[in-house]
Amino acid sequence: DTGVSQNPRHKITKRGQNVTFRCDPISEHNRLYWYRQTLGQGPEFLTYFQNEAQLEKSRLLSDRFSAERPKGSFSTLEIQRTEQGDSAMYLCASSLVRGAIQETQYFGPGTRLLVL
Amino acid sequence: AQKVTQAQTEISVVEKEDVTLDCVYETRDTTYYLFWYKQPPSGELVFLIRRNSFDEQNEISGRYSWNFQKSTSSFNFTITASQVVDSAVYFCALVYSSASKIIFGSGTRLSIRP
Repeated sequence: DTGVSQNPRHKITKRGQNVTFRCDPISEHNRLYWYRQTLGQGPEFLTYFQNEAQLEKSRLLSDRFSAERPKGSFSTLEIQRTEQGDSAMYLCASSLVRGAIQETQYFGPGTRLLVL
Repeated sequence: AQKVTQAQTEISVVEKEDVTLDCVYETRDTTYYLFWYKQPPSGELVFLIRRNSFDEQNEISGRYSWNFQKSTSSFNFTITASQVVDSAVYFCALVYSSASKIIFGSGTRLSIRP
């Protein structure tokens, strides 16, 4: 039973460059979430998908951020024109939602981004 | 407001001591879910426990136990006979029924000294 996987695990980029991260959820899970975690803080919600539909986006998700889940399986998170303030750990989680029951979200290992 | 407060930023104890991590939450929803996650130095968030708002029974799993009290809006976590491998950041978290996102506390860094 494979868990949530994320690639790359680490990314160093220069300010102004674009970066893209990938998340592969647990195979039968229909929901996929993105969170951002800065040093010393708890993760903060960015966005989530149910199957291929993006259902909610946080105000943290500026116009430079875009997320997709084209076939309801893996997801990508792209940051355009990166800024030093984008440096953080980007965490992906997935869950299986049936009806109104909130199931547990299982997290991947994260992608640590450093913008120079 | 929906909020999780972990007032203890850092705790350091000697191995084999018992330690309790505090968590206080705020929500207007009557249906909600509470979680604890562990984040070791590797960075991955590891799920520990999930409780729904209708189940106030305390739970024990090996050296871990959780005390859920709706009257004080608290969901505290106790590690008995702590071990060095318990060293990590622990997050308490809330999901309220009308939303899907997790609201995390700011975490408690637990250090177990040999």
